[in-house]
Formats: sequence, structure tokens, C-alpha cells
Amino acid sequence: DVKVTQSSRYLVKRTGEKVFLECVQDMDHENMFWYRQDPGLGLRLIYFSYDVKMKEKGDIPEGYSVSREKKERFSLILESASTNQTSMYLCASTITGGSYNEQFFGPGTRLTVL
Amino acid sequence: GQNIDQPTEMTATEGAIVQINCTYQTSGFNGLFWYQQHAGEAPTFLSYNVLDGLEEKGRFSSFLSRSKGYSYLLLKELQMKDSASYLCAPLDGGFKTIFGAGTRLFVKA
Repeated sequence: DVKVTQSSRYLVKRTGEKVFLECVQDMDHENMFWYRQDPGLGLRLIYFSYDVKMKEKGDIPEGYSVSREKKERFSLILESASTNQTSMYLCASTITGGSYNEQFFGPGTRLTVL
Repeated sequence: GQNIDQPTEMTATEGAIVQINCTYQTSGFNGLFWYQQHAGEAPTFLSYNVLDGLEEKGRFSSFLSRSKGYSYLLLKELQMKDSASYLCAPLDGGFKTIFGAGTRLFVKA
């Protein structure tokens, strides 16, 4: 079974802190994604990566950056956390090619910024 | 623009059938996913449709009409464990998945 893990289930940080969210997948997937999920808004794409060291902005990249130094690991960085970044963060991965590519999600990190 | 419309909440009775509708507008189209998400958990894949018609998988079926920009998820023989959010998620022309806000389904005894 595909396994996508995230470094923390719950995280509490203070405004202005630098925050690292880590995601690891064990199925050699090329594509990895970071979403945030807020009530009534669905999942919104922050950044995605289709290969090592490659990254693409999603719909809401402002205030975030990412790093993909190894194929299995995709990190989301909040350079200076703000209260409006309080949210559930979900990482996902998928293969390239095939008839369709369902996304496999990690358990999520619920981040609270005080 | 890209838009997905599905009901916010639905309530149904254990053992019944429920249909969750989704209309979408995307820039291009490469299929549509349905995901299930229990409260506090990650979404999990339920179904994928790329051609018009009905795809059946056990108690769950999903229908697609590309010309109408319309899909539905049909859940039969409802069980309490089906209480969850159901996310309609079309793939746009660039193979990007666009997620709807989801429909929260409550199954009552």
C-alpha cells in the first residue's frame, strides 16, 4: 500500500516563526502536492513538484515556499507564520502516466498560529 | 474560470440510497474523481470517470455527463460509517485536480 506520512498531526506556532512541514512517500511517486483545507473552501493547491528540485506554484503560494531535494520528500515552509495560515495542511503524491492518477494523501497537519 | 458546485450538507437514513450531485466548469477536462473524507482524516479515492456513463463499484456508483458538466455519486445501502464528506474533483486540461468544497453526509439510524 502507498504510504504518505507527515511529520506532525498537530502543530502550534507563534506569529513570525519559521515553520517546516515535512511529507514523505514510499512509492517512488514523481508528483507531490501541498494543499491547505479550510471549512467551506475545499482543498486549495499551494505548491506542487513533478520531480526532484522542481517546483510549481499552485493557486495560493503567497507566504509559502517548498523544497524537494529527494524524490520521496517534499517540504512546505512558512517563512514567517501568520494567523491566517492557521489551517489543515495535506500532502499528496501521485505517479506520472497511466490511465488515471488518483492522489494518495497523508494524514494532514493541523497548524495553529497564535 | 474553474468552478465546482455541490451541496454543502445532506442527511439520509441508514439502509437508504443517497445521490450527491456535482456540477463543474473547468478549463479543459480529463476526467473526474470522487474522494471520501472522514472528519479529521485524509481524503481517500472512491472513483474516477472519464467517459460518459455509470461506473459501479460495490455500494458506490459514479455517473458522468461531460456535455452537461455534471456528475453524481450514488451510495446504496447506507451505513453509519458512510457519514463523511464527499469531494467532487475534476481534472482540468492540464491534468490538475480541482477540488470542490465537499458535501458533508450525515447518516442517521
